[in-house]
Amino acid sequence: ETGVTQTPRHLVMGMTNKKSLKCEQHLGHNAMYWYKQSAKKPLELMFVYNFKEQTENNSVPSRFSPECPNSSHLFLHLHTLQPEDSALYLCASSQATGSDEKLFFGSGTQLSVL
Amino acid sequence: QKEVEQDPGPLSVPEGAIVSLNCTYSNSAFQYFMWYRQYSRKGPELLMYTYSSGNKEDGRFTAQVDKSSKYISLFIRDSQPSDSATYLCAMTINAGGTSYGKLTFGQGTILTVHP
Repeated sequence: ETGVTQTPRHLVMGMTNKKSLKCEQHLGHNAMYWYKQSAKKPLELMFVYNFKEQTENNSVPSRFSPECPNSSHLFLHLHTLQPEDSALYLCASSQATGSDEKLFFGSGTQLSVL
Repeated sequence: QKEVEQDPGPLSVPEGAIVSLNCTYSNSAFQYFMWYRQYSRKGPELLMYTYSSGNKEDGRFTAQVDKSSKYISLFIRDSQPSDSATYLCAMTINAGGTSYGKLTFGQGTILTVHP
């Protein structure tokens, strides 16, 4: 496996379900991110983790709960979502050394909330 | 006013054409500028990364930054059907520190290059 891998690729869930999205990066990076991509809207940053510590929560509702057990893995736990949360959820990683902002994205999880 | 404005298109051109994609921005603090390409059902991939005003060339792609006008462009020469994708501009205030990873994206321009 190379790059950034996300599972599952597609997810359909009801508003009362609990599910988790998984992301794994094989690039040796020290920072990981969750972005949300909705139709006809720009990518929105949700969470930032640097060296496993959350450094950014961009006013995301508490029904989204991130977890970063180590610098290679990132999860997004979902519960009691709303239909407007349907979107493509993208994980990304970077080597935040202070001189480079290049993000590498996974292929995303296409989430549909019924 | 959005921080980054990008014409969503769609833009359709014949193979071999020169393509010009543009973004304008309002925050003069942006210092680093990127173009990402996103194929259908894939995540964005970094295409060009620039700092400061001027041009940067990589093969058929040229990124141009004009900070005085708050305007960035991506030119694609000799466009190919394989260039058909959504192109996203992105920018950030500074590299590293507390702003790393905090990219502000444009809406994306859908490009189709037909044979």
